[in-house]
Amino acid sequence: AIQMTQSPSSLSASVGDRVTITCRASQDIRSDLSWYQHKPGTAPKLLIYAASTLQSGVPSRFSGSGSGTEFTLTISSLQPEDFTTYYCLQDSRFPRTFGGGTKVEI
Amino acid sequence: EVQLVESGGGFVQPGETLRLSCVGSGFIFSSYAMTWVRQAPGKGLEWVSSSSATGGTTYYAESVEGRFTLSRDYSKNTVYLQMSGLRDEDTAVYYCARGPGNSPRGYFQHWGHGTLVTVSA
Repeated sequence: AIQMTQSPSSLSASVGDRVTITCRASQDIRSDLSWYQHKPGTAPKLLIYAASTLQSGVPSRFSGSGSGTEFTLTISSLQPEDFTTYYCLQDSRFPRTFGGGTKVEI
Repeated sequence: EVQLVESGGGFVQPGETLRLSCVGSGFIFSSYAMTWVRQAPGKGLEWVSSSSATGGTTYYAESVEGRFTLSRDYSKNTVYLQMSGLRDEDTAVYYCARGPGNSPRGYFQHWGHGTLVTVSA
């Protein structure tokens, strides 16, 4: 199975900060990677797919980049509603595997 | 508007069986792949199973292979997860998700709010 290593597992930031989260795949997954935001008690939300394509309706402060084995999610200016947990997911092969998650805290 | 609503969660003892349901609306159910994902307490998201739009191809995580079965009822726009031989480690919130197309490959575009399954003696 493809292992997805997500870092950091948590980070402290302030409103307005620029934040970067990284996912590394154990093998080449081309651009088959998506990013999700998950607030407790709610449905996870797709932010980015195909490594860098912004899902419709997602604010432009979110962006994704990378290909192959290294990927990043960047939030250009943190807003109060962005303090929650983020996951990457490799869409390349089964079994599908998520990164371990990054909790963005104040 | 795409909506996915899960139900069927509850409290069961180890070894018992439970069937989860996920009703889809706002889209042509027979045209989209469907997936189950779970989150154990204090843990991250874990992929469980995915089915193609036709149901002809289904994949399972190793942790549930042989115990869980994903099926689809196109007359009810519903995807099921039949869970047997439940274990303590199956305790989780179970989410259903819809893909962007008919293939089970690809990202998870829409999600339900989840249903809680608790397995305990």
